[in-house]
Amino acid sequence: SQQGEEDPQALSIQEGENATMNCSYKTSINNLQWYRQNSGRGLVHLILIRSNEREKHSGRLRVTLDTSKKSSSLLITASRAADTASYFCATDDTGAGSYQLTFGKGTKLSVIP
Amino acid sequence: EAGVVQSPRYKIIEKKQPVAFWCNPISGHNTLYWYRQNLGQGPELLIRYENEEAVDDSQLPKDRFSAERLKGVDSTLKIQPAELGDSAVYLCASSLGRPTDTQYFGPGTRLTVL
Repeated sequence: SQQGEEDPQALSIQEGENATMNCSYKTSINNLQWYRQNSGRGLVHLILIRSNEREKHSGRLRVTLDTSKKSSSLLITASRAADTASYFCATDDTGAGSYQLTFGKGTKLSVIP
Repeated sequence: EAGVVQSPRYKIIEKKQPVAFWCNPISGHNTLYWYRQNLGQGPELLIRYENEEAVDDSQLPKDRFSAERLKGVDSTLKIQPAELGDSAVYLCASSLGRPTDTQYFGPGTRLTVL
């Protein structure tokens, strides 16, 4: 079953603009992770944020986590055509244990050159 | 360093036929995962191995799916017999095994059942 729900389902922006994707989840979590999947490829880990963290940065990525609202956002600044991909949030909820990741349905990002 | 290797990349079979997927994890990763990803969805865990032991197979449809990880290295996932609804991408991932360790994914096997 899917726990995370990304929003929007699809997003199309011009190169250089910022892209924001949101993720909502249902249960208490230990960590939340974001993954990227290029068409026809496997998933690539982008960033992990722990439940006691509120914000984290990695290069052009900024992730926020609000455990009171059970939501997270991924911001990609100064987007590039190469950022075109699907982005998934994944949670490891305290009930299932930290080894089991539950993925959302993803946001499909298109960056137009 | 080589990533997670999966084969075949694509497989087309008739329903009721058997099919097998192979995965070689990153060297030194003792935890191996099999996921199924339906079109337009995120991956869903089928089974997790710690070395050669299947420690979480609660999502594996055991009437037709089986998996093994002999010697705790590479792994095979089998479907017998395949049904139309099994059409999906089957992803293998591996990690060092601690809860916050990154899972590294292979490219997947895209299965089409006709």
